[in-house]
Amino acid sequence: AQKITQTQPGMFVQEKEAVTLDCTYDTSDPSYGLFWYKQPSSGEMIFLIYQGSYDQQNATEGRYSLNFQKARKSANLVISASQLGDSAMYFCAMREGRGATNKLIFGTGTLLAVQP
Amino acid sequence: ETGVTQTPRHLVMGMTNKKSLKCEQHLGHNAMYWYKQSAKKPLELMFVYSLEERVENNSVPSRFSPECPNSSHLFLHLHTLQPEDSALYLCASSPSPGGRGTQYFGPGTRLLVL
Repeated sequence: AQKITQTQPGMFVQEKEAVTLDCTYDTSDPSYGLFWYKQPSSGEMIFLIYQGSYDQQNATEGRYSLNFQKARKSANLVISASQLGDSAMYFCAMREGRGATNKLIFGTGTLLAVQP
Repeated sequence: ETGVTQTPRHLVMGMTNKKSLKCEQHLGHNAMYWYKQSAKKPLELMFVYSLEERVENNSVPSRFSPECPNSSHLFLHLHTLQPEDSALYLCASSPSPGGRGTQYFGPGTRLLVL
């Protein structure tokens, strides 16, 4: 079974509007972390935002916020005031537990296109 | 130099060639990773090194051989590859085990095997 599910292969959004990218996860570990990365066409994976399973508040980083709904096991990324430079692939990832390695499991990604 | 760098950025090789990918991190991290990203597939973790020791090998064929001479450098030696090995190879690093575990990635090497 997939551990990270991103159901939107692609999305369009108008410049300056907000957009929500969906992510659901599956784990039985009480301690985990959720990440969002952005991958422009150049290939580099850029870390955007982190949410810990014990964090009481939703994470925010500038125009990025994470809508964390623990009971639903969802961790949607919200981008406010979209910009043309936000056009990229977006990946949700999860780290289970706190072991010897910080192994991340990635979803299949969502391609976001911001239109002028 | 900042962050994680990878060289070369692009590589074309024949199936009988031997080449190496290089990754260098300037973040003072102790863990380094190799990932393979193929079209329409999630990122696949290949190898993990923590404090220069290989701690994970995800059933990667032996034609891929990693090397981590110190905590700042990671290599992926390639030999007798197959066309299906064509992909984007990403290197990442993270602080010592524990904590958030945020991984920081390099720009990747786009590999084409002919």
